[in-house]
Amino acid sequence: KAGVTQTPRYLIKTRGQQVTLSCSPISGHRSVSWYQQTPGQGLQFLFEYFSETQRNKGNFPGRFSGRQFSNSRSEMNVSTLELGDSALYLCASSYLTSGGGQETQYFGPGTRLLVL
Amino acid sequence: QKEVEQNSGPLSVPEGAIASLNCTYSDRGSQSFFWYRQYSGKSPELIMFIYSNGDKEDGRFTAQLNKASQYVSLLIRDSQPSDSATYLCAVGGNNDMRFGAGTRLTVKP
Repeated sequence: KAGVTQTPRYLIKTRGQQVTLSCSPISGHRSVSWYQQTPGQGLQFLFEYFSETQRNKGNFPGRFSGRQFSNSRSEMNVSTLELGDSALYLCASSYLTSGGGQETQYFGPGTRLLVL
Repeated sequence: QKEVEQNSGPLSVPEGAIASLNCTYSDRGSQSFFWYRQYSGKSPELIMFIYSNGDKEDGRFTAQLNKASQYVSLLIRDSQPSDSATYLCAVGGNNDMRFGAGTRLTVKP
């Protein structure tokens, strides 16, 4: 099986711009989670999508948004970029059982965003 | 109090020694527990998961879970320089996964 893929891998933007990142989960996985990772803050949970619905959201401002398509691919968008948004953005997919609970998450390679 | 706590390290052990990594969590309803390894500049990769109290062994790795104490640990036997990385503890609830800040492990030849 192919792993989780993320595009683009690297991105340079300037303050005030907006950016869209894409994630394709492992085939058969319906849950996609997004994380922001910075040296100072570690892995911070952004949101999770399951069957095109946002199931959970972390403590990030409304500038951060996402969506999931019917094929489970997901995008996240950051509007009005700030310098502090420079980070590695990781997508992780998992196969959730009908009984709920969190199954193993498999991470993509990440998108490294630099805001100048 | 953070939801998932780990000693940030760095933890330094000599090659061949046992490395012990610890993690505590605050949500008693947590159901699943994971250890990830992350090399510098790379994304996290799964090492082990554990759902039940007790020990789970996989090669040189042993995960230990004590739900009563809300504690999960990872032991790495016969540590190798290639084990040098940041180890992330993750705790899963009904709808989310919470990560610790990670422990940086250095294995010295």
